[in-house]
Amino acid sequence: GAVVSQHPSRVICKSGTSVKIECRSLDFQATTMFWYRQFPKQSLMLMATSNEGSKATYEQGVEKDKFLINHASLTLSTLTVTSAHPEDSSFYICSARDQKGETEAFFGQGTRLTVV
Amino acid sequence: GEDVEQSLFLSVREGDSSVINCTYTDSSSTYLYWYKQEPGAGLQLLTYIFSNMDMKQDQRLTVLLNKKDKHLSLRIADTQTGDSAIYFCAESIWGGADGLTFGKGTHLIIQP
Repeated sequence: GAVVSQHPSRVICKSGTSVKIECRSLDFQATTMFWYRQFPKQSLMLMATSNEGSKATYEQGVEKDKFLINHASLTLSTLTVTSAHPEDSSFYICSARDQKGETEAFFGQGTRLTVV
Repeated sequence: GEDVEQSLFLSVREGDSSVINCTYTDSSSTYLYWYKQEPGAGLQLLTYIFSNMDMKQDQRLTVLLNKKDKHLSLRIADTQTGDSAIYFCAESIWGGADGLTFGKGTHLIIQP
């Protein structure tokens, strides 16, 4: 199957700093990528839909100024957590859909963010 | 709003069949998915089913869909230790163009 690479897998940062997470589709082109957040023992919640070349669409309750998304190419989307706080500590995971419109979404390995 | 419910834990003996259940509320759901998440890893798509189907089989996996009751199940035959993981049920209306709505996941525990 297609591969989505997410980097870094783990990151620890200080409160007030910003962290960038990358999501790359390695062997296919993705016009749409999705960012999810998973709290411990909770489900994955869709944060935003990232569209190549246009602004991301954020789900209700997700602060767009805090979670900056850039989808600059057909193979790369980035999520930047700005001015991170301990409550932003979570597991962030991206998924990408082949631009051919397949129903399968390929997920990255996820990023464990810990804000101290 | 959409809601997807799963039980949090399921314990089975190695070699037995595992049946993981899921219910959803959105009658507009057209695609229903099962994902597997191993510790520290991302999500792996196991299988999906269209809402106009009631069963899909793929090797050891059998998916049953009762659209009337909005109930989805995943049966894993001959459960092995490598099947130990969290299994997520998810639904989508537009085939994923709208993102997926996930359940909380069922932790499958394998007893020797």
